[in-house]
Amino acid sequence: GQQLNQSPQSMFIQEGEDVSMNCTSSSIFNTWLWYKQDPGEGPVLLIALYKAGELTSNGRLTAQFGITRKDSFLNISASIPSDVGIYFCAGRPMNSGGYQKVTFGTGTKLQVIP
Amino acid sequence: KAGVTQTPRYLIKTRGQQVTLSCSPISGHRSVSWYQQTPGQGLQFLFEYFSETQRNKGNFPGRFSGRQFSNSRSEMNVSTLELGDSALYLCASKELGNTEAFFGQGTRLTVV
Repeated sequence: GQQLNQSPQSMFIQEGEDVSMNCTSSSIFNTWLWYKQDPGEGPVLLIALYKAGELTSNGRLTAQFGITRKDSFLNISASIPSDVGIYFCAGRPMNSGGYQKVTFGTGTKLQVIP
Repeated sequence: KAGVTQTPRYLIKTRGQQVTLSCSPISGHRSVSWYQQTPGQGLQFLFEYFSETQRNKGNFPGRFSGRQFSNSRSEMNVSTLELGDSALYLCASKELGNTEAFFGQGTRLTVV
């Protein structure tokens, strides 16, 4: 089945630092999504990307749809304690026939040290 | 618009019992997916329903089943519960043809 690999798996950063994480797939995607999950809650959609090369921001968050269509990146600038959580990428492969479900990445756990 | 609603939020069951979890999608969303999340694990896809039919299924045993009603509300059922079924069960809804899925707060199931 479809695999989405996220890296890093986890990271500890100092408050105020910038954060970068990425997601790669084994095939071409036509949509990339980034979610954040707070402990004990459901993931919340942060950013959606629809075409190769697209760069979209949501406050201190910026995400990019890789030009190869097989990867995506999320950056968080000037991290704050409430950025703590698990970040998931997700996407849907280019239609290869039939209905393609949304696939989720393995997650990046972010810890921010005040 | 109200978000995705999952009930109950918390549940404790005994091994061997069965459980039914409920999910009400965002109004107008006809696709509902279910995921299992165990501590330290990602989101494991269980199944997806739309138009009252299961459209995709993950790699879970037959003890895990689901259904969708004509109003798009969905339920999932787990029979003969095992300790390893303890997890956060998440439901997500979306509009057909879209990729953006919106999650509920989840049901925390503990099997003792």
